[in-house]
Amino acid sequence: KAGVTQTPRYLIKTRGQQVTLSCSPISGHRSVSWYQQTPGQGLQFLFEYFSETQRNKGNFPGRFSGRQFSNSRSEMNVSTLELGDSALYLCASNTRGADTQYFGPGTRLTVL
Amino acid sequence: QKEVEQDPGPLSVPEGAIVSLNCTYSNSAFQYFMWYRQYSRKGPELLMYTYSSGNKEDGRFTAQVDKSSKYISLFIRDSQPSDSATYLCAMSASAGGTSYGKLTFGQGTILTVHP
Repeated sequence: KAGVTQTPRYLIKTRGQQVTLSCSPISGHRSVSWYQQTPGQGLQFLFEYFSETQRNKGNFPGRFSGRQFSNSRSEMNVSTLELGDSALYLCASNTRGADTQYFGPGTRLTVL
Repeated sequence: QKEVEQDPGPLSVPEGAIVSLNCTYSNSAFQYFMWYRQYSRKGPELLMYTYSSGNKEDGRFTAQVDKSSKYISLFIRDSQPSDSATYLCAMSASAGGTSYGKLTFGQGTILTVHP
């Protein structure tokens, strides 16, 4: 079974721009969670989608948004990029939305 | 205070040593406990998953959970240079409300196993 895939793997943007990241979960997994990983804050939960509905959201500003499609693929969007948004963005999938999650390789975003 | 505390290390051990990694937590709602391994420039890889207090063994890895003390551990026996990575503990509460799809992670411990 193919693992979680994320595209693109690397992105460089400038402040004020917006960015869209994509995640394809493991086949059969309907829950997709997104995380931001930085050296200072570690892995922090952004939001979770299940069957095209956002069920949970972490403590991030409204500039961070996401959506999920009927095939369970998910996208996250960050608008008006700030330097502090530079991070590794990880998505993870599982069958139900709790406990074990399987991570993709991440998208490394650099904001200049 | 963070919900999950993990000593970031770094931890350096010789090949063949027994490695002990630990996390403490404050949220008594946590019921599921995981250990992930993350190599440089890769996503976290699930190593161990436990639900209840006690021990769980998988090859060279043993996960231990003590809910009464809010303390979890990962032991690596006969450590190898290929075990060099960052080890992350993660926890979640029962699914529902603000727990859906949310894992709370420790900061990660950087482990180096030298030949």
